[in-house]
Formats: sequence, structure tokens, C-alpha cells
Amino acid sequence: DQQVKQNSPSLSVQEGRISILNCDYTNSMFDYFLWYKKYPAEGPTFLISISSIKDKNEDGRFTVFLNKSAKHLSLHIVPSQPGDSAVYFCAASKGYGQNFVFGPGTRLSVLP
Amino acid sequence: GAVVSQHPSRVICKSGTSVKIECRSLDFQATTMFWYRQFPKKSLMLMATSNEGSKATYEQGVEKDKFLINHASLTLSTLTVTSAHPEDSSFYICSASIAGDSAKNIQYFGAGTRLSVL
Repeated sequence: DQQVKQNSPSLSVQEGRISILNCDYTNSMFDYFLWYKKYPAEGPTFLISISSIKDKNEDGRFTVFLNKSAKHLSLHIVPSQPGDSAVYFCAASKGYGQNFVFGPGTRLSVLP
Repeated sequence: GAVVSQHPSRVICKSGTSVKIECRSLDFQATTMFWYRQFPKKSLMLMATSNEGSKATYEQGVEKDKFLINHASLTLSTLTVTSAHPEDSSFYICSASIAGDSAKNIQYFGAGTRLSVL
């Protein structure tokens, strides 16, 4: 049973437009979420996080939105750049310091 | 900063042999290291958590005698797949959290090891 889902395995977006990556979770105990980005032949790198006390967290071109009632979060990248092309993993945990569960990832391709 | 090196990146071995994978934090001390396994088109699945100087904590369903984890220092953890079989073929990836920073759940990942057992 997959507790963290990323239903779109891939997404293509034109450079300069907005990329929206979605993540759904089933466990209502999750209250801390992270997004990781992974380039080929490299390990995932931390991108942005959000705790359940917030519904939005912004860092430059990256914004994560959390809808607790829908158990849904999304990562917005605007404007998208070709260097953003990577696999994006959503991860969730039951609190600070707790192990987290990854989603399967979404491959984003930003077309020039 | 916060670089994690994982070695080897790829290994092919015969069934029945043991394979050791190393995970090193190059520029920080990692009190906690994590080992994940990823099957094709699946999520990264946590196998075990290891704290320096103590026994690893394995997730349910992970055979501790099959996957030996050693975390002898603050910069090195090893995963040994003992008596490997074809079903152990997978992508293994380690991560580490910085001492004092683990509460933020930010982990720094190695590049992973692709194990193929013939």
C-alpha cells in the first residue's frame, strides 16, 4: 500500500511556464513534507519542505502548497527552466526527526 | 557542503557472493545514516537506520542477517548484502543527516549503487 503517491510519472512543460507537480498521501498522521530533486547519476537533493501548520512555503521560484483536508500537496516552479529537468520526489513523515516515506517520483522535462 | 559519497556505483556479482557498499559523508559528521532500496518505477523504500556506534534499526520485512549494516564512525556506514541472490538485484542508496539537523528531516543522499546478481 503506497502511502505517498505521485500519480504522474512524467510531465513536460515549456520553458518559462509554470510546472506543477502533485503528491497525495493517505496517512493522516503525516505532518511534515519535503520535496527532493534528483538528476541522473546523482543522489536526491533537498529542495523545499513544509510542515502541517502551514499551507504554503515559498523559496525563490519554488512554492509548495499543502491541503491537509485533501491530503494533497503540490510543488510549483515558476518560471520553469531547462535546468529544472529532473525527477522530483515527494516525501512525508510523522513529524520532525521521524523517518519519511517517499513517493515514486515525477520526471519533469522543461523544454527550451 | 554536505556531500555523501557512495561506492561502488555499480556492481555485478555471482549468486552466493557477498557485496559491500560504502557510504561516506565527506565534509560533515553524520550521526545517522539511512539505507534505501528502490525497485524499478517504485519509491525509495527505507531499509534501515543506523546511528554511529550502535546497532542498526531495520524496517519491517528487511532481513538483518541478509543486509548487514555497520556504522563504525561518524563518516562511514557500510551495507553488506550477504549471499546475494538475483532477487537482491536492485538500486541501493544511502543518505546521512547532519548531527543536530536530523530534526529537520533533511537528508543528504549518495548517488546510489546498482547491484546486479547473476
